[in-house]
Amino acid sequence: DTEVTQTPKHLVMGMTNKKSLKCEQHMGHRAMYWYKQKAKKPPELMFVYSYEKLSINESVPSRFSPECPNSSLLNLHLHALQPEDSALYLCASSLARGDGYTFGSGTRLTVV
Amino acid sequence: GQNIDQPTEMTATEGAIVQINCTYQTSGFNGLFWYQQHAGEAPTFLSYNVLDGLEEKGRFSSFLSRSKGYSYLLLKELQMKDSASYLCAVRDPGSYIPTFGRGTSLIVHP
Repeated sequence: DTEVTQTPKHLVMGMTNKKSLKCEQHMGHRAMYWYKQKAKKPPELMFVYSYEKLSINESVPSRFSPECPNSSLLNLHLHALQPEDSALYLCASSLARGDGYTFGSGTRLTVV
Repeated sequence: GQNIDQPTEMTATEGAIVQINCTYQTSGFNGLFWYQQHAGEAPTFLSYNVLDGLEEKGRFSSFLSRSKGYSYLLLKELQMKDSASYLCAVRDPGSYIPTFGRGTSLIVHP
């Protein structure tokens, strides 16, 4: 298995909703990442997990809450989002922190 | 801080060769990545350079000069499917996390 699987692929949510994005990999990678990408912009780092521990939080608002239940799974819990949070949310993993990434196909999030 | 510069857009003809440049001024350097991203899709890893010189991988090659703060991605025998955005990313030696450039949108036409 050489993939990072993200679900759902598309999500539309209201500003009062609570939803979660999921990411899974079975490559034995020990680092996992959440990125946010707006159209025609580069990916922006949100969170880094290394060996299931949060190692970097790039000053992300608390309405985004990451969770790493085990070495294969990474979640991003969303609550009270704003329309400007609409973007493509990418999960990535690497063998160790800083190695070349394998990205998931992303979740396209629309906040209405 | 990290300042990574790439051209915004390039066009080329099918079958030709194109070189996409990336220059960087960073507080530290621990390697440079190139990723390809098709519209609406996730980036895919192309190459990694940490030492000076040329790394060749099929139709794609990547070059690095650390003293000049410069890299390029060379694409040969261009195909229509090579139309995509190409992202240069420089890895920070402290955090080991790469910072992405804005990307170069390559359009290949017949």
